[in-house]
Amino acid sequence: EIVLTQSPGTLSLSPGERATLSCRASQSVSSSYLAWYQQKPGQAPRLLIYGASSRATGIPDRFSGSGSGTDFTLTISRLEPEDFAVYYCQQYGSSFLTFGGGTKVEIK
Amino acid sequence: QLQLQESGPGLVKPSETLSLTCTVSGGSISSSSYYWGWIRQPPGKGLEWIGSIYYSGSTYYNPSLKSRVTISVDTSKNQFSLKLSSVTAADTAVYYCARHGVEIDYWGQGTLVTVSS
Repeated sequence: EIVLTQSPGTLSLSPGERATLSCRASQSVSSSYLAWYQQKPGQAPRLLIYGASSRATGIPDRFSGSGSGTDFTLTISRLEPEDFAVYYCQQYGSSFLTFGGGTKVEIK
Repeated sequence: QLQLQESGPGLVKPSETLSLTCTVSGGSISSSSYYWGWIRQPPGKGLEWIGSIYYSGSTYYNPSLKSRVTISVDTSKNQFSLKLSSVTAADTAVYYCARHGVEIDYWGQGTLVTVSS
């Protein structure tokens, strides 16, 4: 079973700053099988990035994903007020899904 | 636009079976090569995949829950269901139904299920 570890647990930043979120896998993950989600309080998660680096429909270009193997990154180039939320990475393997523990991006 | 809606009891007693149904609208549950799955989120915690059923009927379960989980589909009603047996307080969570391939592209709004006597 692949374990996804996200860091940091909490990121305290100001609007306009750059956010860099990490997702590390316990074993190599195909880039095609790594996704990122945003979740706001009281809402279901929303797909941001799939295939490690492709933005989902309607996702602003300030969100970008990168990485391969065991290390993946979600970058928010300039934080907007609506970007303060919790972010999860997720991998797919052999019909199973695994989520990381999440990174909370909070206003500093 | 595909929509998913969870339904079922919001309160379940310890040791009993939690049963939820997800109704899919705006598309057929059996017409595409997708999985239909359940994910849960305990209050204040992260996401946990429970299991999924493929459009062909094959099921896949989280190994940590496999002994207690059953997911089934009713194509005539365009619904799929979750049964989780022998629940404890640790099963208290928001339960989401979802559609996925490699990634989850559609989610239900979620339903809170509390396990308490």
